[in-house]
Amino acid sequence: DQQVKQNSPSLSVQEGRISILNCDYTNSMFDYFLWYKKYPAEGPTFLISISSIKDKNEDGRFTVFLNKSAKHLSLHIVPSQPGDSAVYFCAASGVDNNDMRFGAGTRLTVKP
Amino acid sequence: NAGVTQTPKFRILKIGQSMTLQCTQDMNHNYMYWYRQDPGMGLKLIYYSVGAGITDKGEVPNGYNVSRSTTEDFPLRLELAAPSQTSVYFCASSYGVSTGELFFGEGSRLTVL
Repeated sequence: DQQVKQNSPSLSVQEGRISILNCDYTNSMFDYFLWYKKYPAEGPTFLISISSIKDKNEDGRFTVFLNKSAKHLSLHIVPSQPGDSAVYFCAASGVDNNDMRFGAGTRLTVKP
Repeated sequence: NAGVTQTPKFRILKIGQSMTLQCTQDMNHNYMYWYRQDPGMGLKLIYYSVGAGITDKGEVPNGYNVSRSTTEDFPLRLELAAPSQTSVYFCASSYGVSTGELFFGEGSRLTVL
């Protein structure tokens, strides 16, 4: 069963505009959520995270929003830059489990 | 600073052959993981280890084995390769999973023909 879902396989935005990537989860035991960024032929790298006790976390151009009641989180990138073009994975974990579950990824393309 | 190093980067196997994917990390992390990524799918956990001598199954362990004799190394063994094991394999490590980010290697692309 896919406990973390990213329903948009791809997203294309213009440079300077906002990119919004979405993620849904089904397991209410998840309490820590992360976004990873992946370039071709490289491993994923950590981008930003949020604990379930918060509803927003910001780091420079990147902001993650968490809506626990809807079991939904989103990543906002403002302003988007061509170097942001990559695949973005949403991931979730819980205190009581030793693994991290990943979504299928969303390929973001930022056009100059 | 090397981080997480995986070898080989590419490998082609025939059905029924065996091989080991090597993974080593130099960050003194207790937790190590093996994930596989199939096209259009997220990363699925194969096995993980919370410390030397301790390993446990993830979501998709069938067809694989692991060992963890040292903190640094976490090899993944495929005993009888099958076409369904064609995938990109990622090794990762962390201080702990519940609140910690994972540090990934660059991946190993395996094709079974």
